[in-house]
Amino acid sequence: EPEVTQTPSHQVTQMGQEVILRCVPISNHLYFYWYRQILGQKVEFLVSFYNNEISEKSEIFDDQFSVERPDGSNFTLKIRSTKLEDSAMYFCASSGRGQVTEAFFGQGTRLTVV
Amino acid sequence: KQEVTQIPAALSVPEGENLVLNCSFTDSAIYNLQWFRQDPGKGLTSLLLIQSSQREQTSGRLNASLDKSSGRSTLYIAASQPGDSATYLCAVRDNDYKLSFGAGTTVTVRA
Repeated sequence: EPEVTQTPSHQVTQMGQEVILRCVPISNHLYFYWYRQILGQKVEFLVSFYNNEISEKSEIFDDQFSVERPDGSNFTLKIRSTKLEDSAMYFCASSGRGQVTEAFFGQGTRLTVV
Repeated sequence: KQEVTQIPAALSVPEGENLVLNCSFTDSAIYNLQWFRQDPGKGLTSLLLIQSSQREQTSGRLNASLDKSSGRSTLYIAASQPGDSATYLCAVRDNDYKLSFGAGTTVTVRA
């Protein structure tokens, strides 16, 4: 069964450092997403990406964040200068178009900023 | 802005009992609604998708209903087992670009 793959599963970084979280979405999907979940809190939407551009983003997704689909298979989330409050589980997801399609999520990357 | 609420926040039942998990949403103009399962520290596993035109969807012991006009969905899990212990999340898709999640219901099934 096709799945969304995320790497690494866990990343520890120093405050102020840049991190890149990587995802391989399901190959025939058109829409790609990043979500995050701070420990004990709701899953929060960060950004969606379609047709090689951002289609929607939340207020959390400020200038410190960026997304890229560099090679047609990978989808990355970059945090330029990490803060302690960026510590969370980050989930990548992908879906097809329209109401008949499910969104599939990866297993997540646990980011710890120290 | 879509707001999704799940009640109760936590539920503990003896094995064999049926589970009823509730989800409500504020904007009824949705594409679809998905129920997910999340085990501690793990990712989200899709359980059921209900399209906005559907009233019900079933998969094994799971049944989900949707009343779009009143902004409600209910997930029923029949004959619960200890392996059903997890957090269940409801997510509403408003358009192609975004899912809005509830905070989840944490279920404990006691053996």
